[in-house]
Amino acid sequence: AQSVTQLDSQVPVFEEAPVELRCNYSSSVSVYLFWYVQYPNQGLQLLLKYLSGSTLVESINGFEAEFNKSQTSFHLRKPSVHISDTAEYFCAVSETAGGSYIPTFGRGTSLIVHP
Amino acid sequence: DAGVIQSPRHEVTEMGQEVTLRCKPISGHDYLFWYRQTMMRGLELLIYFNNNVPIDDSGMPEDRFSAKMPNASFSTLKIQPSEPRDSAVYFCASSLRSSYNEQFFGPGTRLTVL
Repeated sequence: AQSVTQLDSQVPVFEEAPVELRCNYSSSVSVYLFWYVQYPNQGLQLLLKYLSGSTLVESINGFEAEFNKSQTSFHLRKPSVHISDTAEYFCAVSETAGGSYIPTFGRGTSLIVHP
Repeated sequence: DAGVIQSPRHEVTEMGQEVTLRCKPISGHDYLFWYRQTMMRGLELLIYFNNNVPIDDSGMPEDRFSAKMPNASFSTLKIQPSEPRDSAVYFCASSLRSSYNEQFFGPGTRLTVL
C-alpha cells in the first residue's frame, strides 16, 4: 500500500521569497502524484498533478513540482510567493496498479506568507 | 456544473443527538468519498463508494457512523448518537476513475457537538 510523508507541518516565509514544500511517498508500484491546496474555510482543490511524461509539472499560478522516482519525492516549489498563497497544501499519491486509483493524502503543510 | 454540494455548512448539536450530513456529487462522477478533518488527526478517509456501492468503510471510526448512497446524486453520513469528539469538518468529494480519481471536494460541513 502507498503512503505519503510531508516533512514539514508548517512553513513560514516572507512575501516574494522562494518556497519548497516537501513530499515523499512510498509505493511498490508506479504512482500518480497530486498536490491539492486548501484555502481557509474551503475544501481542497487540485493544484497540479503528475500522471506520466515530463517529470516537471506546473500550475497556472506559478507553482511547480518535480517527480523524482529515485528519491520517491514530489516536492512543490514557487520562486516568489504572495500573501494569497497562504493555505494548507496536501500531497497525495495513488497507485497505477489495480486500477482504482484511490489516493492517499499526506498530513498537509501549512504555508504562512508574511508581508 | 455547481461542483460538489454539501449541506448543512454548519451544524451545532448536543451530545447524544443524531446528525445527518448530506452530499450531492458532481453529475457523472462514479466515485464518492467522505473525509473527516481535524487538527489532531488531519484528513481521514472514512468511506468511499463506487457506482453507489460502498467499497471500503475501514476508516469509519465506530458503529455510531453510517453512510449511504441511495442513488448516483445523493449520499448521507449519519452519526448516531453524536459525541463531542466527533466535532470536525466533514468533506465529501467525488471523482471519475477515468480521470485517475482526481478529487473534487465540497465546501465541507463544520460539525460541533456540545
